[in-house]
Amino acid sequence: DIQMTQSPSFLSASVGDRVTINCKASQNINRYLNWYQQKLGEAPKLLIYNANSLQTGIPSRFSGSGSGTDFTLTISSLQPEDVATYFCLQHNSWPWTFGGGTKLELK
Amino acid sequence: QVNLLQSGAALVKPGASVKLSCKASGYTFTDYYIHWVKQSHGKSLEWIGYINPNSGYTNYNEKFKSKATLTVDKSTNTAYMELSRLTSEDSATYYCTRDGYNRLDYWGQGVMVTVSS
Repeated sequence: DIQMTQSPSFLSASVGDRVTINCKASQNINRYLNWYQQKLGEAPKLLIYNANSLQTGIPSRFSGSGSGTDFTLTISSLQPEDVATYFCLQHNSWPWTFGGGTKLELK
Repeated sequence: QVNLLQSGAALVKPGASVKLSCKASGYTFTDYYIHWVKQSHGKSLEWIGYINPNSGYTNYNEKFKSKATLTVDKSTNTAYMELSRLTSEDSATYYCTRDGYNRLDYWGQGVMVTVSS
């Protein structure tokens, strides 16, 4: 199985900060990576698909980059409503696997 | 609008089985695969498998092959996942989610399964 390692596990930032979350795959997954946001008590929500495509309805402050084994989710200017846990998901090969999550808090 | 409505929380005894449902609306049910995902309390997500509602074809994570069985009822636009021989390790929240062409774009609200005697 492909292992997805997210970093950091926990992140504290201030409103307006630029925030980056990383995801590293144990082998090449091309650009087959999605990013999800999960708020407390809710289902995950798709933010970015295929590494850098913004899902419809998602604010443009969210962006994704990377290919191969290294990927980044960036929030250009953190807003209070962005407090959540973020997960990456590789869909290059079966079984699909998720990263361990990054919990984002406000400082 | 697309909606996936899951059945309510379940409390089941060890060794028993439980069948979870996921009723789809707002789109053509047979055009999109349905995946199931497990989230243990406070932990990350695990992909269980998917079913093609049109053909009934399934693809499972090897880890869940003897645990989960995925089916659909096309007449009611409902997907099901049956979990068998339940143990405390199966206590978790389970989500159904639509595959919008390699992006899990719509999710059910999740159903909490608690295994306890």
